[in-house]
Amino acid sequence: KAGVTQTPRYLIKTRGQQVTLSCSPISGHRSVSWYQQTPGQGLQFLFEYFSETQRNKGNFPGRFSGRQFSNSRSEMNVSTLELGDSALYLCASSAGGRADTQYFGPGTRLTVL
Amino acid sequence: AQSVTQPDIHITVSEGASLELRCNYSYGATPYLFWYVQSPGQGLQLLLKYFSGDTLVQGIKGFEAEFKRSQSSFNLRKPSVHWSDAAEYFCAVGARGGYQKVTFGIGTKLQVIP
Repeated sequence: KAGVTQTPRYLIKTRGQQVTLSCSPISGHRSVSWYQQTPGQGLQFLFEYFSETQRNKGNFPGRFSGRQFSNSRSEMNVSTLELGDSALYLCASSAGGRADTQYFGPGTRLTVL
Repeated sequence: AQSVTQPDIHITVSEGASLELRCNYSYGATPYLFWYVQSPGQGLQLLLKYFSGDTLVQGIKGFEAEFKRSQSSFNLRKPSVHWSDAAEYFCAVGARGGYQKVTFGIGTKLQVIP
């Protein structure tokens, strides 16, 4: 079974721009979660989508948004980029039940200049 | 809300030595507990998880962890470390009342010296 894939792997943007990141979950998985990883903050939960609905949300500003498509693929969008948005963005997929394991993709490294 | 503390940001051990990485959690009930490992440039890989039952959990790559309710701890152990174990290790807690909302610790970076 193919793992979680994320595209692109690396991205460089400037302040004020917007960016869209993509995540394809493991086949059959209906839940996709997004995390922001920075050296000082560790992994911070952004949001989780299940069957095209946002089911959980972390404490991030409204500039961070996401969506999920009928094939469970998910996109995350960040508008009006700030320098502090530079991070590794990880997505994780699971079957979606409470006890189900999350499987992580390799991440997208976003650099904001 | 749940939280996780990994008190050691960086640990150095000699190859062949034993390893224990500490993790303390805060949660009002018995949580789901996880240990993940992240190698440079990679995503996170699940080492082991605790949901219920036996408090000593065996994982992949020879790792184990013990859930101690009285100490709110879930420490990761390995009897003999290999150079390939050098990586960053994350403890995480999931709320039983919520779907897939997992809180991660800050991580412990493990260095292995020959």
